[in-house]
Amino acid sequence: GEDVEQSLFLSVREGDSSVINCTYTDSSSTYLYWYKQEPGAGLQLLTYIFSNMDMKQDQRLTVLLNKKDKHLSLRIADTQTGDSAIYFCAEYLGKLTFGTGTRLQVTL
Amino acid sequence: GAVVSQHPSWVICKSGTSVKIECRSLDFQATTMFWYRQFPKQSLMLMATSNEGSKATYEQGVEKDKFLINHASLTLSTLTVTSAHPEDSSFYICSARDPGAPNQPQHFGDGTRLSIL
Repeated sequence: GEDVEQSLFLSVREGDSSVINCTYTDSSSTYLYWYKQEPGAGLQLLTYIFSNMDMKQDQRLTVLLNKKDKHLSLRIADTQTGDSAIYFCAEYLGKLTFGTGTRLQVTL
Repeated sequence: GAVVSQHPSWVICKSGTSVKIECRSLDFQATTMFWYRQFPKQSLMLMATSNEGSKATYEQGVEKDKFLINHASLTLSTLTVTSAHPEDSSFYICSARDPGAPNQPQHFGDGTRLSIL
């Protein structure tokens, strides 16, 4: 199957770092993605990583990929209240398969 | 950048009516579009893959007679929810594949919230 698992909820204080984890099941995935969804809105692509990379940094975002363990993580540095949203990882094998989603709550 | 426009953004209608949702690629040609459904606090579930000029491919458990998909042009796909009932109330999101952007294979619309009374 192509089940992609994420933890349901994460709460962090403003200014701290957030780490959202994802476990995927298909090692043939070419690209892995992180999307952000705010309430009532569509999906916003945050970043992606190609399967032959271990790490990718893009401003406050750092993606780590452990292909052996099929583990993907998204680190958000200096988390802000505007980062509160649901975050989905997704793997691509001809079509996107989304993770279960992690709700990030940022508190003051 | 590439944009996908989805219309309408919110629909409220009575049980038994049919509802059409449009998905347009604005600055690229999309031979393939995807329709997703999202229940509250859940992930996106792929309903069907829409291919221009041919029949859509439906995922297991999705009724093709209930959710009619038409992809008559390279920039437009439509999803019609026929004889909608309250259990069809959900958030529907379309996306379009951009063949010219391998790093971002699917661009997403902003979604349509469907509420059936």
